[in-house]
Amino acid sequence: GAGVSQSPSNKVTEKGKDVELRCDPISGHTALYWYRQSLGQGLEFLIYFQGNSAPDKSGLPSDRFSAERTGGSVSTLTIQRTQQEDSAVYLCASSSKKGSFAGANVLTFGAGSRLTVL
Amino acid sequence: DQQVKQNSPSLSVQEGRISILNCDYTNSMFDYFLWYKKYPAEGPTFLISISSIKDKNEDGRFTVFLNKSAKHLSLHIVPSQPGDSAVYFCAARDDNYGQNFVFGPGTRLSVLP
Repeated sequence: GAGVSQSPSNKVTEKGKDVELRCDPISGHTALYWYRQSLGQGLEFLIYFQGNSAPDKSGLPSDRFSAERTGGSVSTLTIQRTQQEDSAVYLCASSSKKGSFAGANVLTFGAGSRLTVL
Repeated sequence: DQQVKQNSPSLSVQEGRISILNCDYTNSMFDYFLWYKKYPAEGPTFLISISSIKDKNEDGRFTVFLNKSAKHLSLHIVPSQPGDSAVYFCAARDDNYGQNFVFGPGTRLSVLP
């Protein structure tokens, strides 16, 4: 598609439930990132996929968080047994293959999925 | 350890004046720097970038300055417009790390009419 699409745009869930957030990156972009922004905070890196390489999961805050990217395109971020501190806006971004040209260095973000855990 | 710092959480500027947003970093391996703008309920959008081999990049009302020796960059907006009111994030790339984009905490700019 023309941009990065994320769904749902808003999700309210009860503590302890599992949630799935979906990201559909720009067609042809090989790199996909998940960030989250908690209220009043900056962007916190969660996970990064680049092509067929093993994902960089160094930003995942706990083992309740996992993500996969199927077929090198759509990605799903799963949060199990949600806690109130998981409430945040979860942002997905994609970029083209790493390279020396400027366009490879720009992330295009989706509008985010706002998660509220009651 | 916060590698990219934006020490001013907020900034207010009068319309027509210059806005200067600052960013400091600690990792000398960063080779590319970007500024993003974020409106409420929207994802961040790319604004302007600069390579570490340059010290200035200009695009219309927006200019980014890089001082490598001080590990400091700044974004200048002139003249500032009410539509510039948003949160501005500084970001840096270190190609040695897989996730290679590190964001600062952001500065909320308010341009007053």
